[in-house]
Amino acid sequence: ILNVEQSPQSLHVQEGDSTNFTCSFPSSNFYALHWYRWETAKSPEALFVMTLNGDEKKKGRISATLNTKEGYSYLYIKGSQPEDSATYLCASSQAGTALIFGKGTTLSVSS
Amino acid sequence: NAGVTQTPKFQVLKTGQSMTLQCAQDMNHEYMSWYRQDPGMGLRLIHYSVGAGITDQGEVPNGYNVSRSTTEDFPLRLLSAAPSQTSVYFCASSYDTRLEPQHFGDGTRLSIL
Repeated sequence: ILNVEQSPQSLHVQEGDSTNFTCSFPSSNFYALHWYRWETAKSPEALFVMTLNGDEKKKGRISATLNTKEGYSYLYIKGSQPEDSATYLCASSQAGTALIFGKGTTLSVSS
Repeated sequence: NAGVTQTPKFQVLKTGQSMTLQCAQDMNHEYMSWYRQDPGMGLRLIHYSVGAGITDQGEVPNGYNVSRSTTEDFPLRLLSAAPSQTSVYFCASSYDTRLEPQHFGDGTRLSIL
């Protein structure tokens, strides 16, 4: 079973601040890296699925990068808003295996 | 298009009882999985399936059974419920973990007394 690590565990920022989180995963036999946004009392919602080394994806103020050789991905949020408050999960899989999630980074944005 | 449907939404059991959590998807997805959510633990994989007739264990499989007789359905069985199995359970599905994201059900909140 993969070991997927996320840091920091939690983060508190002011509205307008930009922030980033890290996801670390085993680089051997890498298959895919997923990012999800998870609001309290809801189901996780997908942000990005990334597969290629050097991949960069963007959705509005949120973007992600992927380094499969060293086994990490960054999620960036530009100009944080209170509605960005949520837990951000990353998950990774190796070929033919299950998708394993990290424990998440919980973001709180104050107005 | 219903997506991923989980039933029931809430359930209270007594220690030692058995029950089945239902999960159905109507998107013809091959990959289905069950996760449990506990405070500070993110989502932990219980069991998963890459197609009908194929299942495998995840990170925390003990105390749970699964089967995949059809593409659409992936039930999770608690054999003898224990208080440690009190959790929120999520079912998810996708065509493939490489090609697209997981689609999650709304979750089942299970309490074991």
